[in-house]
Amino acid sequence: DQQVKQNSPSLSVQEGRISILNCDYTNSMFDYFLWYKKYPAEGPTFLISISSIKDKNEDGRFTVFLNKSAKHLSLHIVPSQPGDSAVYFCAASPYFSGGSNYKLTFGKGTLLTVNP
Amino acid sequence: NAGVTQTPKFRILKIGQSMTLQCTQDMNHNYMYWYRQDPGMGLKLIYYSVGAGITDKGEVPNGYNVSRSTTEDFPLRLELAAPSQTSVYFCASSYSLGVQSYEQYFGPGTRLTVT
Repeated sequence: DQQVKQNSPSLSVQEGRISILNCDYTNSMFDYFLWYKKYPAEGPTFLISISSIKDKNEDGRFTVFLNKSAKHLSLHIVPSQPGDSAVYFCAASPYFSGGSNYKLTFGKGTLLTVNP
Repeated sequence: NAGVTQTPKFRILKIGQSMTLQCTQDMNHNYMYWYRQDPGMGLKLIYYSVGAGITDKGEVPNGYNVSRSTTEDFPLRLELAAPSQTSVYFCASSYSLGVQSYEQYFGPGTRLTVT
């Protein structure tokens, strides 16, 4: 049973446009969410996180939005650059629900391709 | 800083063989983790450790063993390798303060094939 779902295996956008990557979760205990970026033959690298007390978090070109009632989060990249081409993983944990924020549940990932 | 290093990068095992995947971090992180990523899937937690001498099972621990004798090292042992263990294995580490853990840093991975 997938508790973190990334329903789009791939996404292609033009350089300079917005990339929107989506993630849905089913476990209502999840309240801390992260996005990781992964290039081929490398390990994932942390991008941005958000806790359930917020509905938005920004870091430069990257913004994560959280809709708790819909159990949905999205990562916006504006403007998209060719170097952003990678696999993006959404991850979640039940930190504030009395769990821990180090046992992460990952989605399957979305391959983003940014075309010059 | 080297960060998280893993050896080997690639390995082919025959069914029933054993091997140890090595993981070392030089960031003095107290938490360390082992994940596996199967093709087209997300990462799944195999084992984790919250400090030297303390380990615990993750989501998919069967067929694996770990030990944590030092802060820096967290080896993963495969006994009696099976084709189902063909995967890419990632080691990660994070700093923590109490139960608050910060971002996890990942190694480059070990690609293992069992035939």
